[in-house]
Amino acid sequence: GNSVTQMEGPVTLSEEAFLTINCTYTATGYPSLFWYVQYPGEGLQLLLKATKADDKGSNKGFEATYRKETTSFHLEKGSVQVSDSAVYFCALSDQAGTALIFGKGTTLSVSS
Amino acid sequence: GAVVSQHPSRVICKSGTSVKIECRSLDFQATTMFWYRQFPKQSLMLMATSNEGSKATYEQGVEKDKFLINHASLTLSTLTVTSAHPEDSSFYICSARDQGKNTQYFGPGTRLTVL
Repeated sequence: GNSVTQMEGPVTLSEEAFLTINCTYTATGYPSLFWYVQYPGEGLQLLLKATKADDKGSNKGFEATYRKETTSFHLEKGSVQVSDSAVYFCALSDQAGTALIFGKGTTLSVSS
Repeated sequence: GAVVSQHPSRVICKSGTSVKIECRSLDFQATTMFWYRQFPKQSLMLMATSNEGSKATYEQGVEKDKFLINHASLTLSTLTVTSAHPEDSSFYICSARDQGKNTQYFGPGTRLTVL
């Protein structure tokens, strides 16, 4: 079945460091891919998405490129801030209108 | 942007009682809403898909008689945890699908604690 695998956390970085959170997926067909962020005590917020191969989603300095050849959707940010500390979830939707399948989440902690 | 609300945000109840959680899409109509459950430091697990005007579709292992879902309008779905027990304590999150944008928006979640 469909699944999402994220790198294990926690990830601890200093402010202004480069961030990569790896995400790979298994799915039939052409899923849509998402990154969600969950700040402490809050619900999930859509960070970015990509709906077809080679699409790049970007938002708030974060980027992720839909790589079908490697079935990956790695999240990157060139310079993290303390305010980026949160849990990041990679997710996929295999068909329009279906529920999301989430990875286990990666906790990011950024210190000043 | 699109907003999905949940009420209550936090509830504490005694074992054996029932708790209703509401999920509302505030600025769009949602024919489909989803209910997830999140255990501490774990990912979200889909419980059921709620379709307006029809019965919900439950995931394997989720008791439909315990977790009652009603989607009576295009902006409201409710999840009722019946005869709650301490093992039902969890973070319940709903999402609503904006069909026009083909995007799901998540509610802020409801923290249920059963004593």
